[in-house]
Amino acid sequence: GENVEQHPSTLSVQEGDSAVIKCTYSDSASNYFPWYKQELGKRPQLIIDIRSNVGEKKDQRIAVTLNKTAKHFSLHITETQPEDSAVYFCAAIWNNNDMRFGAGTRLTVKP
Amino acid sequence: NAGVTQTPKFQVLKTGQSMTLQCAQDMNHEYMSWYRQDPGMGLRLIHYSVGAGITDQGEVPNGYNVSRSTTEDFPLRLLSAAPSQTSVYFCASSSAHSNQPQHFGDGTRLSIL
Repeated sequence: GENVEQHPSTLSVQEGDSAVIKCTYSDSASNYFPWYKQELGKRPQLIIDIRSNVGEKKDQRIAVTLNKTAKHFSLHITETQPEDSAVYFCAAIWNNNDMRFGAGTRLTVKP
Repeated sequence: NAGVTQTPKFQVLKTGQSMTLQCAQDMNHEYMSWYRQDPGMGLRLIHYSVGAGITDQGEVPNGYNVSRSTTEDFPLRLLSAAPSQTSVYFCASSSAHSNQPQHFGDGTRLSIL
């Protein structure tokens, strides 16, 4: 089955700096890669996603890049703010309907 | 438009008891799924459904049953609760297959003693 690995598990940055979270996946047939943000005690919420026919996607301070050949994708957050502090999860679709998540990255943005 | 609604929010069970976690969505979504979230392990897919009358197993289906008699509802049943099933359970839905943005409920925190 699909295996999604996410690094780092924790990340601490100063406000205004950039943050990068990386994920790798094992199934070359995976075609959808969402990123979710989860604040403490809350539901996961989609922040950005990318499909396998696209190499990069941006939404204001957030961007995602996908390298299908290497089977990895990354989340980039620029100009980080304290409210960006949360746990971020990457995911990949396996077998069309089965979504596998990474273990999560706890991002702390220090004011 | 309430989105995805899960009940109850919290539950404590004794080992061996059975229970049903409820999930309902009002967005007319075809795809619904159940995840469990354990510390340090992200979310793991338990069961999913691509439409009424159709269900399938995810990554960790053992000990759980589901049914999908209507588009709106997707209950998760624990047949005989075990301490290893202590977790936070999330229900999610999306408009088509899972390769669409998923909308999560608020979760059910379940403790098995």
